[in-house]
Amino acid sequence: DQQVKQNSPSLSVQEGRISILNCDYTNSMFDYFLWYKKYPAEGPTFLISISSIKDKNEDGRFTVFLNKSAKHLSLHIVPSQPGDSAVYFCAASGSGSARQLTFGSGTQLTVLP
Amino acid sequence: KAGVTQTPRYLIKTRGQQVTLSCSPISGHRSVSWYQQTPGQGLQFLFEYFSETQRNKGNFPGRFSGRQFSNSRSEMNVSTLELGDSALYLCASSLIGQMNTEAFFGQGTRLTVV
Repeated sequence: DQQVKQNSPSLSVQEGRISILNCDYTNSMFDYFLWYKKYPAEGPTFLISISSIKDKNEDGRFTVFLNKSAKHLSLHIVPSQPGDSAVYFCAASGSGSARQLTFGSGTQLTVLP
Repeated sequence: KAGVTQTPRYLIKTRGQQVTLSCSPISGHRSVSWYQQTPGQGLQFLFEYFSETQRNKGNFPGRFSGRQFSNSRSEMNVSTLELGDSALYLCASSLIGQMNTEAFFGQGTRLTVV
């Protein structure tokens, strides 16, 4: 039973345009959400996070939106750059039995020059 | 400040053997978690250690075990290796454990079972 789902295994976007990566979760105990970026042969690196008390967090070109009622979050990258091409993982954590980071299966983003 | 260090980077083992992977967390970090990454499966949580105690465990068979030392370094052991254990094993460290804080990952150990 996947508690964090990334339904799009891949996404291609033109350089300069917006990239929107989506993530859905099912566990109501999750209260903290993160996005990680992973290049081949490297470990994931932290990108941006959001607490459940917020609905938006922005850091430069990256913005994460959280819709708690829909149990949905998204990562927006504007403008997209070729160096953004990587696998993006959504992760969630909470309290009690949900305390460890639970990851989605990832979305391969390709930014075309 | 040095990052999370995992050794070895690559490993080839045969079925039935056992393997030990090592992880040195960022200095000062007391929580170490292990994940298995296979194609299409994302990162599957194995277990978390904090102050030498296993604090949380994922849904993996007992062949997968781990431990943490007093200096926070952690080892993961897989016994009686199966072909399906071939994966990238990632270690992550965090300051106080994975509660509302990001984890920092090592580069991983690529295990191939033949």
